[in-house]
Amino acid sequence: NAGVTQTPKFQVLKTGQSMTLQCAQDMNHEYMSWYRQDPGMGLRLIHYSVGAGITDQGEVPNGYNVSRSTTEDFPLRLLSAAPSQTSVYFCASRRQGMNTGELFFGEGSRLTVL
Amino acid sequence: GDSVTQMEGPVTLSEEAFLTINCTYTATGYPSLFWYVQYPGEGLQLLLKATKADDKGSNKGFEATYRKETTSFHLEKGSVQVSDSAVYFCALSDWQAGTALIFGKGTTLSVSS
Repeated sequence: NAGVTQTPKFQVLKTGQSMTLQCAQDMNHEYMSWYRQDPGMGLRLIHYSVGAGITDQGEVPNGYNVSRSTTEDFPLRLLSAAPSQTSVYFCASRRQGMNTGELFFGEGSRLTVL
Repeated sequence: GDSVTQMEGPVTLSEEAFLTINCTYTATGYPSLFWYVQYPGEGLQLLLKATKADDKGSNKGFEATYRKETTSFHLEKGSVQVSDSAVYFCALSDWQAGTALIFGKGTTLSVSS
């Protein structure tokens, strides 16, 4: 099973460039989310979606856009990258409405902004 | 708002030593509590969970008990192995209130043989 697939795994950008981190899941999960992981900060929620056409902001949404046109895909867009966005990004998904707590994570995308 | 505080790392142990990683939480409702583990170069995966007070979650020799009176969910293992070396995250959620999973900052465990 593929689970949650993130691409690319590594990316280097220059300040001001734009890019999209891709996330796809094949588990028919309604809920999808993006986290960033920074040393000493743990994981912080950027954006999340509870279904196609529905998105909402998390704890640190500034500088990021998302959309959810299908159940499977939840891309994260950086419109104008800044060095402060250097981080490891994780996409995660789960079934909506199930109190299992089990988020399924991708392997992460390491982004460096110079 | 809701929050999770876990002990600072890194924690360095010898193989077969006893492990405790402390976790306390603040929540307005009745959250579920979780421990996630992140092995080097990988994403996070659920290690164990507890959904109500006095529940004990367990998996792979790890245990944690949901203590409402002390607002704690400490992770323990009686005998660690080198393969347990990873980063451990305590987390909470109140799905009924619509809150997303809130993570602690993570504790790095390094086990040597």
